Amino acid sequence: QKEVEQDPGPLSVPEGAIVSLNCTYSNSAFQYFMWYRQYSRKGPELLMYTYSSGNKEDGRFTAQVDKSSKYISLFIRDSQPSDSATYLCAMSARGATNKLIFGTGTLLAVQP
Amino acid sequence: GAVVSQHPSRVICKSGTSVKIECRSLDFQATTMFWYRQFPKQSLMLMATSNEGSKATYEQGVEKDKFLINHASLTLSTLTVTSAHPEDSSFYICSARDTRQGRYYEQYFGPGTRLTVT
Repeated sequence: QKEVEQDPGPLSVPEGAIVSLNCTYSNSAFQYFMWYRQYSRKGPELLMYTYSSGNKEDGRFTAQVDKSSKYISLFIRDSQPSDSATYLCAMSARGATNKLIFGTGTLLAVQP
Repeated sequence: GAVVSQHPSRVICKSGTSVKIECRSLDFQATTMFWYRQFPKQSLMLMATSNEGSKATYEQGVEKDKFLINHASLTLSTLTVTSAHPEDSSFYICSARDTRQGRYYEQYFGPGTRLTVT
Protein backbone atom coordinates (compact mmCIF):
# COMPACT_ATOMS: atom_id res chain seq x y z
CA GLN A 1 0.00 0.00 0.00
CA LYS A 2 1.32 3.44 -0.91
CA GLU A 3 1.77 5.91 1.91
CA VAL A 4 -0.35 8.46 0.04
CA GLU A 5 -3.19 7.61 -2.33
CA GLN A 6 -4.68 10.07 -4.77
CA ASP A 7 -7.16 9.50 -7.59
CA PRO A 8 -5.28 10.36 -10.80
CA GLY A 9 -8.41 11.45 -12.63
CA PRO A 10 -8.77 13.01 -15.11
CA LEU A 11 -11.54 15.06 -13.60
CA SER A 12 -13.56 17.24 -15.96
CA VAL A 13 -16.00 19.84 -14.65
CA PRO A 14 -17.87 22.81 -16.14
CA GLU A 15 -16.79 26.33 -15.33
CA GLY A 16 -18.27 27.53 -12.04
CA ALA A 17 -18.51 24.08 -10.50
CA ILE A 18 -17.24 23.18 -7.05
CA VAL A 19 -14.31 20.79 -7.29
CA SER A 20 -13.37 18.32 -4.59
CA LEU A 21 -9.92 16.73 -4.64
CA ASN A 22 -8.92 14.14 -2.08
CA CYS A 23 -6.04 12.14 -0.70
CA THR A 24 -5.83 9.38 1.85
CA TYR A 25 -2.74 8.34 3.74
CA SER A 26 -1.60 5.57 5.99
CA ASN A 27 1.15 7.11 8.13
CA SER A 28 -0.34 8.51 11.33
CA ALA A 29 2.89 10.49 11.91
CA PHE A 30 2.04 12.94 9.13
CA GLN A 31 1.22 16.35 10.59
CA TYR A 32 1.95 18.81 7.79
CA PHE A 33 -0.26 18.78 4.72
CA MET A 34 0.13 20.69 1.50
CA TRP A 35 -1.58 21.07 -1.83
CA TYR A 36 0.39 21.98 -4.93
CA ARG A 37 -0.84 22.98 -8.37
CA GLN A 38 1.27 22.04 -11.36
CA TYR A 39 0.68 23.32 -14.86
CA SER A 40 2.01 21.30 -17.75
CA ARG A 41 5.81 21.51 -18.05
CA LYS A 42 6.10 23.75 -15.00
CA GLY A 43 7.23 23.28 -11.41
CA PRO A 44 4.61 22.73 -8.67
CA GLU A 45 3.21 25.85 -7.00
CA LEU A 46 2.29 25.75 -3.31
CA LEU A 47 -1.42 26.47 -2.89
CA MET A 48 -2.29 25.56 0.66
CA TYR A 49 -0.41 24.53 3.79
CA THR A 50 -2.15 23.07 6.83
CA TYR A 51 -0.83 21.83 10.13
CA SER A 52 -2.72 18.99 11.83
CA SER A 53 -6.52 18.71 11.60
CA GLY A 54 -8.93 21.44 10.61
CA ASN A 55 -9.89 23.74 7.78
CA LYS A 56 -8.06 26.54 6.06
CA GLU A 57 -9.53 28.90 3.54
CA ASP A 58 -7.77 31.12 1.00
CA GLY A 59 -9.98 32.80 -1.55
CA ARG A 60 -11.71 30.16 -3.65
CA PHE A 61 -9.64 27.36 -2.09
CA THR A 62 -10.41 25.46 1.11
CA ALA A 63 -8.19 22.75 2.53
CA GLN A 64 -9.53 20.25 5.05
CA VAL A 65 -7.61 17.74 7.12
CA ASP A 66 -9.23 14.90 9.05
CA LYS A 67 -6.45 13.10 10.87
CA SER A 68 -8.82 10.63 12.50
CA SER A 69 -9.79 9.35 9.06
CA LYS A 70 -6.38 10.02 7.49
CA TYR A 71 -8.09 11.99 4.77
CA ILE A 72 -7.40 15.42 3.29
CA SER A 73 -9.37 17.44 0.78
CA LEU A 74 -9.02 20.53 -1.37
CA PHE A 75 -12.16 22.32 -2.48
CA ILE A 76 -12.17 24.82 -5.31
CA ARG A 77 -15.22 27.09 -5.52
CA ASP A 78 -16.37 28.78 -8.70
CA SER A 79 -13.82 26.86 -10.74
CA GLN A 80 -12.25 28.63 -13.71
CA PRO A 81 -10.59 27.31 -16.88
CA SER A 82 -7.31 28.68 -15.47
CA ASP A 83 -7.64 26.15 -12.63
CA SER A 84 -7.02 23.37 -15.16
CA ALA A 85 -3.85 21.69 -13.93
CA THR A 86 -2.59 18.72 -11.98
CA TYR A 87 -3.14 18.99 -8.23
CA LEU A 88 -0.72 17.18 -5.95
CA CYS A 89 -1.22 16.53 -2.28
CA ALA A 90 1.89 16.27 -0.15
CA MET A 91 2.52 15.57 3.50
CA SER A 92 5.30 15.30 6.01
CA ALA A 93 5.93 14.11 9.53
CA ARG A 94 7.61 16.25 12.18
CA GLY A 95 11.39 16.31 12.14
CA ALA A 96 14.21 18.13 10.41
CA THR A 97 14.97 15.31 8.01
CA ASN A 98 11.44 14.35 7.13
CA LYS A 99 10.74 14.71 3.46
CA LEU A 100 7.55 15.43 1.61
CA ILE A 101 5.58 12.44 0.43
CA PHE A 102 3.54 13.22 -2.68
CA GLY A 103 0.37 11.77 -4.08
CA THR A 104 0.37 10.87 -7.74
CA GLY A 105 -1.62 14.00 -8.64
CA THR A 106 -5.14 14.55 -10.01
CA LEU A 107 -5.50 16.07 -13.46
CA LEU A 108 -8.32 18.63 -13.48
CA ALA A 109 -9.90 20.13 -16.58
CA VAL A 110 -12.37 22.97 -16.18
CA GLN A 111 -14.44 23.36 -19.32
CA PRO A 112 -15.51 26.90 -20.32
CA GLY B 1 8.30 35.88 -1.45
CA ALA B 2 9.72 32.33 -1.57
CA VAL B 3 10.83 32.29 -5.18
CA VAL B 4 13.04 29.53 -6.52
CA SER B 5 14.72 29.75 -9.90
CA GLN B 6 16.29 27.05 -12.03
CA HIS B 7 18.69 27.31 -14.91
CA PRO B 8 18.63 26.26 -17.66
CA SER B 9 14.94 25.69 -18.31
CA ARG B 10 15.71 23.37 -21.18
CA VAL B 11 18.88 21.63 -22.32
CA ILE B 12 19.72 19.19 -25.07
CA CYS B 13 23.01 17.34 -24.86
CA LYS B 14 24.76 14.46 -26.55
CA SER B 15 25.16 11.09 -24.93
CA GLY B 16 28.29 10.88 -22.80
CA THR B 17 28.46 14.56 -21.91
CA SER B 18 27.74 16.15 -18.52
CA VAL B 19 25.09 18.72 -17.74
CA LYS B 20 24.86 21.07 -14.77
CA ILE B 21 21.55 22.42 -13.48
CA GLU B 22 21.43 25.30 -11.00
CA CYS B 23 18.79 25.90 -8.36
CA ARG B 24 18.64 29.21 -6.52
CA SER B 25 16.43 30.55 -3.75
CA LEU B 26 16.00 34.21 -4.68
CA ASP B 27 14.48 35.85 -1.62
CA PHE B 28 15.19 33.51 1.25
CA GLN B 29 17.94 31.31 2.61
CA ALA B 30 17.57 27.60 2.18
CA THR B 31 19.71 25.32 4.28
CA THR B 32 17.97 22.39 2.63
CA MET B 33 17.14 21.89 -1.03
CA PHE B 34 15.68 18.89 -2.76
CA TRP B 35 16.09 17.44 -6.23
CA TYR B 36 13.23 15.62 -7.90
CA ARG B 37 12.75 13.86 -11.17
CA GLN B 38 9.41 13.67 -12.93
CA PHE B 39 8.42 11.43 -15.80
CA PRO B 40 5.48 12.31 -18.05
CA LYS B 41 2.13 12.08 -16.28
CA GLN B 42 3.77 10.84 -13.11
CA SER B 43 4.37 12.37 -9.72
CA LEU B 44 7.63 13.70 -8.42
CA MET B 45 10.33 11.23 -7.45
CA LEU B 46 12.73 12.50 -4.81
CA MET B 47 16.32 11.92 -5.88
CA ALA B 48 18.30 13.54 -3.11
CA THR B 49 18.29 16.01 -0.26
CA SER B 50 20.93 18.69 -0.41
CA ASN B 51 22.18 20.35 2.76
CA GLU B 52 24.37 23.44 2.72
CA GLY B 53 27.92 22.63 3.66
CA SER B 54 27.51 18.88 3.81
CA LYS B 55 27.13 15.88 1.54
CA ALA B 56 23.81 15.22 -0.11
CA THR B 57 21.61 12.36 1.01
CA TYR B 58 20.52 10.20 -1.90
CA GLU B 59 17.37 8.13 -2.13
CA GLN B 60 17.62 4.43 -2.62
CA GLY B 61 18.36 3.51 -6.22
CA VAL B 62 19.80 6.89 -7.18
CA GLU B 63 23.44 6.74 -8.30
CA LYS B 64 25.38 9.34 -6.39
CA ASP B 65 28.30 9.18 -8.82
CA LYS B 66 26.01 9.89 -11.73
CA PHE B 67 23.97 12.66 -10.13
CA LEU B 68 26.44 14.94 -8.37
CA ILE B 69 24.94 17.47 -6.01
CA ASN B 70 26.70 20.47 -4.55
CA HIS B 71 25.09 22.88 -2.09
CA ALA B 72 27.75 25.55 -1.96
CA SER B 73 25.78 28.35 -0.33
CA LEU B 74 22.49 29.08 1.40
CA THR B 75 20.95 30.09 -1.90
CA LEU B 76 22.48 27.77 -4.48
CA SER B 77 22.45 24.04 -5.14
CA THR B 78 23.63 22.36 -8.33
CA LEU B 79 22.85 19.00 -9.88
CA THR B 80 25.33 17.62 -12.41
CA VAL B 81 24.25 14.70 -14.55
CA THR B 82 27.50 13.01 -15.51
CA SER B 83 27.99 10.93 -18.64
CA ALA B 84 24.38 11.45 -19.60
CA HIS B 85 22.48 8.79 -21.53
CA PRO B 86 19.11 8.91 -23.25
CA GLU B 87 17.44 7.22 -20.27
CA ASP B 88 18.45 10.26 -18.18
CA SER B 89 16.14 12.40 -20.27
CA SER B 90 13.52 13.75 -17.90
CA PHE B 91 12.11 16.80 -16.14
CA TYR B 92 14.29 17.73 -13.17
CA ILE B 93 12.82 19.97 -10.49
CA CYS B 94 14.44 21.43 -7.41
CA SER B 95 12.76 22.75 -4.31
CA ALA B 96 13.92 24.71 -1.32
CA ARG B 97 12.71 24.57 2.23
CA ASP B 98 11.89 27.95 3.69
CA THR B 99 13.41 27.83 7.15
CA ARG B 100 11.96 31.09 8.39
CA GLN B 101 10.08 30.75 11.61
CA GLY B 102 6.75 29.02 11.27
CA ARG B 103 7.38 27.94 7.68
CA TYR B 104 9.77 25.10 8.18
CA TYR B 105 7.80 22.43 6.36
CA GLU B 106 6.87 24.43 3.29
CA GLN B 107 8.79 23.62 0.15
CA TYR B 108 8.92 25.94 -2.83
CA PHE B 109 9.66 24.56 -6.25
CA GLY B 110 11.65 25.85 -9.16
CA PRO B 111 10.16 25.89 -12.66
CA GLY B 112 12.01 22.73 -13.68
CA THR B 113 14.62 21.80 -16.27
CA ARG B 114 13.77 19.65 -19.26
CA LEU B 115 16.80 17.50 -20.11
CA THR B 116 16.95 15.70 -23.44
CA VAL B 117 19.91 13.43 -24.15
CA THR B 118 20.38 12.50 -27.77
